[in-house]
Amino acid sequence: QVTLRESGPALVKPTQTLTVTCTFSGFSLKTTGMCVSWVRQPPGKALEWLALINWDDDKYYSPSLKNRLTISKDTSKNQVVLTMTNMDPVDTATYFCARICSGGICYDDALDIWGQGTRITVSS
Amino acid sequence: QSALTQPASVSGSPGQSITISCTGTSSDIGSFDLVSWYQQHPGTAPKLILYEDTKRPSGVPNRFSGSKSDNTASLTISGLQADDEADYYCFSYSSSDTWMFGGGTKVTVL
Repeated sequence: QVTLRESGPALVKPTQTLTVTCTFSGFSLKTTGMCVSWVRQPPGKALEWLALINWDDDKYYSPSLKNRLTISKDTSKNQVVLTMTNMDPVDTATYFCARICSGGICYDDALDIWGQGTRITVSS
Repeated sequence: QSALTQPASVSGSPGQSITISCTGTSSDIGSFDLVSWYQQHPGTAPKLILYEDTKRPSGVPNRFSGSKSDNTASLTISGLQADDEADYYCFSYSSSDTWMFGGGTKVTVL
């Protein structure tokens, strides 16, 4: 069974750096074609794609947030970490991680399994 | 890079069919067969309901179907049910090695 779970601080102060961790099971990021993506959703607003990391350690970022984001993986711990610098109240959102595959090993280029999300509030 | 364009809301009566459009550009929807659709009920994580434009994951009812023409993908829900009331999002790969969501569509079952 594939599962993902996000963890992070519930509250972050403006200008601080956010670190959120996605811990997953049921698949390996060593497997060719496997990827993990981060998505966020401000309260009452739409989903926004943030970043993706693949089995080969290639990293992709939303152009509008590229300068503030870093995604990394620890395959030994089955974790993917996203950091976002210079947090602002507009970054208040639920942050989700999700699995995404390529090459026909699951549903190509679709976020097929999601974590439950972690709610991050940015406030002083 | 702008989000994909979806109507803000669509409504229908039980048993009817509704269609949600998702408009992109020749750099994303128009270039790849990689549009996926998600259903999100309040307070829950999104759920994948279509991938590669028209394919249904295991367990998704065939009431949900997809199509595409040029730069616009569409999701059709047939035989609308009360539980279909939710937000729906399209998602696509783009040629600039990025991915993007649509703005979301709220479906109301009258």
